[in-house]
Amino acid sequence: EVQLVESGGGLVQPGGSLRLSCAASGFTFSSYWMSWVRQAPGKGLEWVANIKQDGSEKYYVDSVKGRFTISRDNAKNSLYLQMNSLRAEDTAVYYCAREGIAAADDYWGQGTLVTVSS
Amino acid sequence: QSALTQPASVSGSPGQSITISCTGTSSDVGGYNYVSWYQQHPGKAPKLMIYEVSNRPSGVPDRFSGSKSGNTASLTISGLQAEDEADYYCSSYTSSSTEVFGTGTKVTVL
Repeated sequence: EVQLVESGGGLVQPGGSLRLSCAASGFTFSSYWMSWVRQAPGKGLEWVANIKQDGSEKYYVDSVKGRFTISRDNAKNSLYLQMNSLRAEDTAVYYCAREGIAAADDYWGQGTLVTVSS
Repeated sequence: QSALTQPASVSGSPGQSITISCTGTSSDVGGYNYVSWYQQHPGKAPKLMIYEVSNRPSGVPDRFSGSKSGNTASLTISGLQAEDEADYYCSSYTSSSTEVFGTGTKVTVL
Protein backbone atom coordinates (compact mmCIF):
# COMPACT_ATOMS: atom_id res chain seq x y z
CA GLU A 1 0.00 0.00 0.00
CA VAL A 2 1.36 3.38 -1.00
CA GLN A 3 1.83 5.67 1.99
CA LEU A 4 3.12 9.21 2.24
CA VAL A 5 3.54 10.71 5.69
CA GLU A 6 4.49 14.35 6.12
CA SER A 7 6.07 15.83 9.23
CA GLY A 8 7.88 18.95 10.37
CA GLY A 9 5.07 21.48 10.32
CA GLY A 10 4.44 23.94 13.12
CA LEU A 11 4.38 27.55 14.19
CA VAL A 12 7.23 29.76 12.99
CA GLN A 13 7.82 33.50 13.06
CA PRO A 14 7.99 35.56 9.87
CA GLY A 15 11.48 35.35 8.43
CA GLY A 16 12.07 31.99 10.05
CA SER A 17 12.84 28.59 8.58
CA LEU A 18 11.27 25.17 8.66
CA ARG A 19 12.09 21.82 7.05
CA LEU A 20 9.29 19.51 6.02
CA SER A 21 9.80 15.79 5.48
CA CYS A 22 7.74 13.20 3.67
CA ALA A 23 8.35 9.51 4.35
CA ALA A 24 7.33 7.27 1.48
CA SER A 25 6.57 3.56 1.53
CA GLY A 26 4.80 0.91 -0.51
CA PHE A 27 6.38 1.79 -3.85
CA THR A 28 9.78 2.26 -5.47
CA PHE A 29 10.40 5.83 -4.38
CA SER A 30 13.39 6.36 -6.67
CA SER A 31 11.24 5.71 -9.76
CA TYR A 32 8.90 8.67 -9.37
CA TRP A 33 8.86 12.43 -9.61
CA MET A 34 7.60 13.87 -6.33
CA SER A 35 5.79 17.12 -5.57
CA TRP A 36 4.81 19.47 -2.77
CA VAL A 37 1.37 21.10 -2.93
CA ARG A 38 -0.02 23.52 -0.37
CA GLN A 39 -3.44 24.78 0.65
CA ALA A 40 -3.92 27.95 2.65
CA PRO A 41 -6.77 27.86 5.18
CA GLY A 42 -10.08 27.99 3.33
CA LYS A 43 -8.34 28.38 -0.03
CA GLY A 44 -7.57 26.26 -3.06
CA LEU A 45 -4.67 24.01 -3.94
CA GLU A 46 -1.36 25.56 -5.03
CA TRP A 47 1.46 23.55 -6.58
CA VAL A 48 4.75 24.46 -4.88
CA ALA A 49 7.60 22.41 -6.33
CA ASN A 50 8.60 19.08 -7.80
CA ILE A 51 11.75 17.01 -8.22
CA LYS A 52 12.88 14.39 -10.70
CA GLN A 53 13.65 10.82 -9.70
CA ASP A 54 17.40 11.42 -9.32
CA GLY A 55 17.10 15.00 -8.07
CA SER A 56 18.67 16.42 -11.23
CA GLU A 57 15.67 18.59 -12.10
CA LYS A 58 13.68 20.78 -9.74
CA TYR A 59 10.92 23.27 -10.48
CA TYR A 60 9.22 25.85 -8.28
CA VAL A 61 6.24 28.17 -8.31
CA ASP A 62 7.44 31.76 -8.70
CA SER A 63 6.31 32.82 -5.21
CA VAL A 64 8.78 30.48 -3.47
CA LYS A 65 11.77 30.64 -5.81
CA GLY A 66 14.91 31.54 -3.92
CA ARG A 67 13.28 30.79 -0.56
CA PHE A 68 12.25 27.12 -0.74
CA THR A 69 14.39 24.14 -1.74
CA ILE A 70 13.03 20.72 -2.61
CA SER A 71 15.28 17.70 -2.18
CA ARG A 72 15.10 13.94 -1.77
CA ASP A 73 17.06 11.05 -0.32
CA ASN A 74 16.26 7.91 -2.29
CA ALA A 75 18.20 5.73 0.18
CA LYS A 76 15.84 6.89 2.92
CA ASN A 77 12.70 7.03 0.73
CA SER A 78 12.22 10.59 1.82
CA LEU A 79 11.25 13.92 0.28
CA TYR A 80 12.06 17.26 1.85
CA LEU A 81 11.10 20.92 1.59
CA GLN A 82 13.45 23.45 3.16
CA MET A 83 11.54 26.67 3.67
CA ASN A 84 13.45 29.87 4.46
CA SER A 85 12.42 33.52 4.81
CA LEU A 86 8.90 32.42 5.62
CA ARG A 87 6.04 34.85 5.19
CA ALA A 88 2.51 34.97 6.54
CA GLU A 89 1.24 34.02 3.10
CA ASP A 90 3.14 30.72 3.32
CA THR A 91 0.71 29.59 6.02
CA ALA A 92 -0.92 26.44 4.68
CA VAL A 93 -1.28 22.71 4.89
CA TYR A 94 1.59 21.24 2.89
CA TYR A 95 0.99 17.94 1.10
CA CYS A 96 3.55 15.73 -0.55
CA ALA A 97 2.34 13.84 -3.58
CA ARG A 98 3.63 11.20 -5.95
CA GLU A 99 3.56 12.08 -9.65
CA GLY A 100 2.27 9.11 -11.61
CA ILE A 101 1.13 8.72 -15.19
CA ALA A 102 0.89 11.93 -17.22
CA ALA A 103 2.23 13.99 -14.30
CA ALA A 104 -0.92 13.35 -12.29
CA ASP A 105 -0.55 13.39 -8.50
CA ASP A 106 -1.86 9.91 -7.86
CA TYR A 107 -1.08 9.55 -4.14
CA TRP A 108 -1.12 12.20 -1.45
CA GLY A 109 -0.08 12.40 2.17
CA GLN A 110 -2.37 13.64 4.91
CA GLY A 111 -0.62 17.02 5.04
CA THR A 112 1.27 19.00 7.66
CA LEU A 113 0.24 22.47 8.82
CA VAL A 114 2.69 25.34 8.66
CA THR A 115 1.68 28.54 10.42
CA VAL A 116 3.76 31.67 9.97
CA SER A 117 2.86 34.20 12.61
CA SER A 118 4.43 36.38 15.27
CA GLN B 1 1.59 30.87 -13.46
CA SER B 2 -1.98 32.04 -13.09
CA ALA B 3 -4.48 29.57 -11.70
CA LEU B 4 -6.78 27.86 -14.15
CA THR B 5 -10.32 29.24 -14.08
CA GLN B 6 -13.15 27.14 -12.67
CA PRO B 7 -16.70 28.11 -11.63
CA ALA B 8 -16.89 28.71 -7.89
CA SER B 9 -19.87 26.43 -7.46
CA VAL B 10 -22.03 23.94 -9.32
CA SER B 11 -25.08 22.14 -7.98
CA GLY B 12 -27.42 19.39 -9.05
CA SER B 13 -30.02 16.99 -7.77
CA PRO B 14 -29.30 13.30 -7.16
CA GLY B 15 -29.25 11.42 -10.44
CA GLN B 16 -28.61 14.49 -12.54
CA SER B 17 -25.45 15.27 -14.50
CA ILE B 18 -23.22 18.25 -13.90
CA THR B 19 -20.17 19.58 -15.74
CA ILE B 20 -17.30 21.60 -14.32
CA SER B 21 -15.18 23.63 -16.70
CA CYS B 22 -11.48 24.44 -16.37
CA THR B 23 -10.10 27.18 -18.60
CA GLY B 24 -6.43 27.83 -19.15
CA THR B 25 -4.21 28.89 -22.00
CA SER B 26 -2.23 27.39 -24.84
CA SER B 27 0.71 27.18 -22.41
CA ASP B 28 -1.05 24.73 -20.15
CA VAL B 29 -4.45 23.11 -20.79
CA GLY B 30 -4.43 23.80 -24.52
CA GLY B 31 -0.88 22.70 -25.07
CA TYR B 32 -0.80 19.34 -23.32
CA ASN B 33 -3.03 16.38 -22.56
CA TYR B 34 -1.69 16.31 -19.01
CA VAL B 35 -4.91 17.52 -17.39
CA SER B 36 -6.02 15.94 -14.13
CA TRP B 37 -9.01 16.32 -11.83
CA TYR B 38 -9.06 15.94 -8.04
CA GLN B 39 -11.84 15.54 -5.50
CA GLN B 40 -11.39 16.89 -1.98
CA HIS B 41 -13.75 16.36 0.92
CA PRO B 42 -13.51 18.74 3.91
CA GLY B 43 -10.46 18.08 6.04
CA LYS B 44 -9.16 15.38 3.70
CA ALA B 45 -6.34 15.13 1.20
CA PRO B 46 -7.21 15.46 -2.49
CA LYS B 47 -7.97 12.30 -4.46
CA LEU B 48 -7.11 11.81 -8.11
CA MET B 49 -10.27 11.24 -10.18
CA ILE B 50 -9.13 11.78 -13.79
CA TYR B 51 -5.69 11.86 -15.38
CA GLU B 52 -4.50 12.60 -18.92
CA VAL B 53 -7.75 14.44 -19.72
CA SER B 54 -10.09 11.46 -19.68
CA ASN B 55 -8.59 8.45 -17.93
CA ARG B 56 -9.93 7.12 -14.64
CA PRO B 57 -7.66 5.52 -12.04
CA SER B 58 -8.67 2.14 -10.76
CA GLY B 59 -11.55 2.42 -8.30
CA VAL B 60 -13.01 5.68 -9.58
CA PRO B 61 -16.64 5.20 -10.67
CA ASP B 62 -17.31 5.44 -14.40
CA ARG B 63 -19.85 8.20 -13.79
CA PHE B 64 -16.84 10.50 -13.63
CA SER B 65 -15.59 11.47 -17.09
CA GLY B 66 -13.26 14.08 -18.53
CA SER B 67 -12.77 15.83 -21.84
CA LYS B 68 -10.94 18.75 -23.40
CA SER B 69 -11.52 21.19 -26.22
CA GLY B 70 -8.93 23.83 -26.96
CA ASN B 71 -7.92 25.63 -23.77
CA THR B 72 -10.85 24.29 -21.74
CA ALA B 73 -11.10 20.95 -19.97
CA SER B 74 -14.27 19.59 -18.41
CA LEU B 75 -15.25 17.12 -15.74
CA THR B 76 -18.70 15.55 -15.96
CA ILE B 77 -20.35 13.70 -13.11
CA SER B 78 -23.29 11.62 -14.33
CA GLY B 79 -25.87 10.19 -11.96
CA LEU B 80 -24.89 12.58 -9.19
CA GLN B 81 -24.77 11.01 -5.72
CA ALA B 82 -24.71 12.51 -2.24
CA GLU B 83 -21.11 11.41 -1.71
CA ASP B 84 -20.02 13.45 -4.73
CA GLU B 85 -20.53 16.63 -2.72
CA ALA B 86 -16.99 17.97 -2.42
CA ASP B 87 -14.53 20.45 -3.85
CA TYR B 88 -13.07 19.65 -7.27
CA TYR B 89 -9.83 20.94 -8.74
CA CYS B 90 -8.36 20.62 -12.18
CA SER B 91 -4.64 20.79 -12.84
CA SER B 92 -2.41 20.95 -15.87
CA TYR B 93 1.21 20.57 -16.80
CA THR B 94 2.65 23.81 -18.14
CA SER B 95 5.20 24.96 -20.70
CA SER B 96 7.47 25.94 -17.78
CA SER B 97 7.62 22.30 -16.69
CA THR B 98 5.54 23.19 -13.64
CA GLU B 99 2.00 22.32 -12.62
CA VAL B 100 -0.91 24.69 -12.11
CA PHE B 101 -4.19 24.03 -10.32
CA GLY B 102 -7.60 25.44 -10.98
CA THR B 103 -9.39 27.82 -8.64
CA GLY B 104 -11.63 25.02 -7.40
CA THR B 105 -15.35 24.26 -7.67
CA LYS B 106 -17.67 23.42 -4.81
CA VAL B 107 -20.19 20.79 -5.89
CA THR B 108 -23.43 20.74 -3.95
CA VAL B 109 -25.93 17.90 -4.19
CA LEU B 110 -29.37 19.41 -3.63
